[in-house]
Amino acid sequence: NAGVTQTPKFQVLKTGQSMTLQCAQDMNHEYMSWYRQDPGMGLRLIHYSVGAGITDQGEVPNGYNVSRSTTEDFPLRLLSAAPSQTSVYFCASSPWTGVYGYTFGSGTRLTVV
Amino acid sequence: GQQLNQSPQSMFIQEGEDVSMNCTSSSIFNTWLWYKQDPGEGPVLLIALYKAGELTSNGRLTAQFGITRKDSFLNISASIPSDVGIYFCAGQLAGNQFYFGTGTSLTVIP
Repeated sequence: NAGVTQTPKFQVLKTGQSMTLQCAQDMNHEYMSWYRQDPGMGLRLIHYSVGAGITDQGEVPNGYNVSRSTTEDFPLRLLSAAPSQTSVYFCASSPWTGVYGYTFGSGTRLTVV
Repeated sequence: GQQLNQSPQSMFIQEGEDVSMNCTSSSIFNTWLWYKQDPGEGPVLLIALYKAGELTSNGRLTAQFGITRKDSFLNISASIPSDVGIYFCAGQLAGNQFYFGTGTSLTVIP
């Protein structure tokens, strides 16, 4: 049971480049979400999905797109990378009820130069 | 978004000491969670609390759901080097969204 798998683990982008951060879970969880973690700011919600075909914005959605075509996958797309998007990105999932909290992936460390 | 204030921001303690940290909010939460994040890894759930006043333990960790439902506390007894990491609180208002605190960084000096 792999849990939540994120790829890549590290990435360096030039300003203006686009890329997709991958997230996959094998626990049949309905709910999936993306967070970014910045020093002193905790975890901030970017986008989330309550099931295949349904996505919504979180606290800091600008500059990011998501889609949820399957229950297992929830990719995060950076449309035109900016230095302000340098951060550590975490994908998380949970069963719909969510009362037991989220299972997190191990993160993607992104640097935009 | 919701503001969860976590304190202290960082702690440096001697091995064997007890640790206390807390999380406060202006909002009333239905659920409180405590996570630990090891360097280079994602947060891992330590304790979940579901009703006001609840006191729950997980080994040397004890957490409490504040009676006002606006705060929560985490205590670690007899700290050991592997307790090093960042501890996050998270509160659930409704639905499936959790709001995270800014974290408490714990350093244990052997």
